[in-house]
Amino acid sequence: AQSVTQPDIHITVSEGASLELRCNYSYGATPYLFWYVQSPGQGLQLLLKYFSGDTLVQGIKGFEAEFKRSQSSFNLRKPSVHWSDAAEYFCAVGPYTGGFKTIFGAGTRLFVKA
Amino acid sequence: EAGVAQSPRYKIIEKRQSVAFWCNPISGHATLYWYQQILGQGPKLLIQFQNNGVVDDSQLPKDRFSAERLKGVDSTLKIQPAKLEDSAVYLCASSLDLSEGPYFGPGTRLTVL
Repeated sequence: AQSVTQPDIHITVSEGASLELRCNYSYGATPYLFWYVQSPGQGLQLLLKYFSGDTLVQGIKGFEAEFKRSQSSFNLRKPSVHWSDAAEYFCAVGPYTGGFKTIFGAGTRLFVKA
Repeated sequence: EAGVAQSPRYKIIEKRQSVAFWCNPISGHATLYWYQQILGQGPKLLIQFQNNGVVDDSQLPKDRFSAERLKGVDSTLKIQPAKLEDSAVYLCASSLDLSEGPYFGPGTRLTVL
């Protein structure tokens, strides 16, 4: 069965520091992969998505993610974090050949310290 | 373009009562999703429609939850009867097709007392 794991429940980084949020998936094939952000009291917003091709994808708000097939990972990165990036981040795994569901990880809460 | 619309935004009910949520997806989006998000957790897929048809409802508690999508556009999710553990935010989302990531509505926060 497909599954997605976000190993870190929460992460704290200093403003201006780099960020990497981890995401691992369990799948027989390469699925569609997504990262979402949910700010306090806000809805879920799509940051970026990967289907195929270049394994480094660029998203909104300066985020990028790298797909590594050998590690079944799709980690989210940002070179310099701003205080406004404090939020909950969710990795999601989408449909693949033979399956249709789009499911989400448990999320990683990002805290940004001044 | 207009986003995913949901109503109501908030609902408080007593346990064993019934409740219904409505969703209007982005125009032209064939895929519609209902997720349940309990505080502190990731969204859990309840049901996924492709046009009128259900493509997955494996995590929908069918003894109390039901959902329909009328004419491949609007959708309603109903809970009857509600339990305390149904307190959550119910998120509706839509996408152009299965390869697109879901675009989410603002959600309905349900409190069951």
